[in-house]
Amino acid sequence: NAGVTQTPKFQVLKTGQSMTLQCAQDMNHEYMSWYRQDPGMGLRLIHYSVGAGITDQGEVPNGYNVSRSTTEDFPLRLLSAAPSQTSVYFCASSYSSRNYGYTFGSGTRLTVV
Amino acid sequence: RKEVEQDPGPFNVPEGATVAFNCTYSNSASQSFFWYRQDCRKEPKLLMSVYSSGNEDGRFTAQLNRASQYISLLIRDSKLSDSATYLCVVYNSASKIIFGSGTRLSIRP
Repeated sequence: NAGVTQTPKFQVLKTGQSMTLQCAQDMNHEYMSWYRQDPGMGLRLIHYSVGAGITDQGEVPNGYNVSRSTTEDFPLRLLSAAPSQTSVYFCASSYSSRNYGYTFGSGTRLTVV
Repeated sequence: RKEVEQDPGPFNVPEGATVAFNCTYSNSASQSFFWYRQDCRKEPKLLMSVYSSGNEDGRFTAQLNRASQYISLLIRDSKLSDSATYLCVVYNSASKIIFGSGTRLSIRP
């Protein structure tokens, strides 16, 4: 079982560039989400989706877009990268956001210079 | 005040010891609670859900105290492999899932 697959694992961007972080899960989970993890701040929710075609904002959505065209895929787009977006990004999925734990991907380490 | 607070540690304990962490939360309407462990430069992994009645999984015991608004994690007979950062997670709604900053645990031989 692949679980949650994130690509790429590492990325360096220049300020102003755009890119898409890929996330795919093969567990037929309805709920998917994106987090960023910064030192001393814990994981913060960027965007989430409760099913195909449905997305919503989390705590820190500015500068990011998402879409959910299929149950399996939930890409995160950085529109115009800024140094403040340097972080580790995790995608997570679950049967239900409330009652079940989340399975995380292995993360993407993004540096914006 | 942070919505979810954890002692960052580090807790440095000998192998075989019992260690406990607490995590306090501010929203009395919080619905679900979890403990995760995260190894250095790795993704968080679910350790256990925290039920109102408390629950145990081998050497790990989780408790919820709604009156005082905290959850706890107890690790008995600690192993070297228990060294990690332990994150508490509080679910308020689908858009409000709060992760604590984590408690670092280091087990020494």
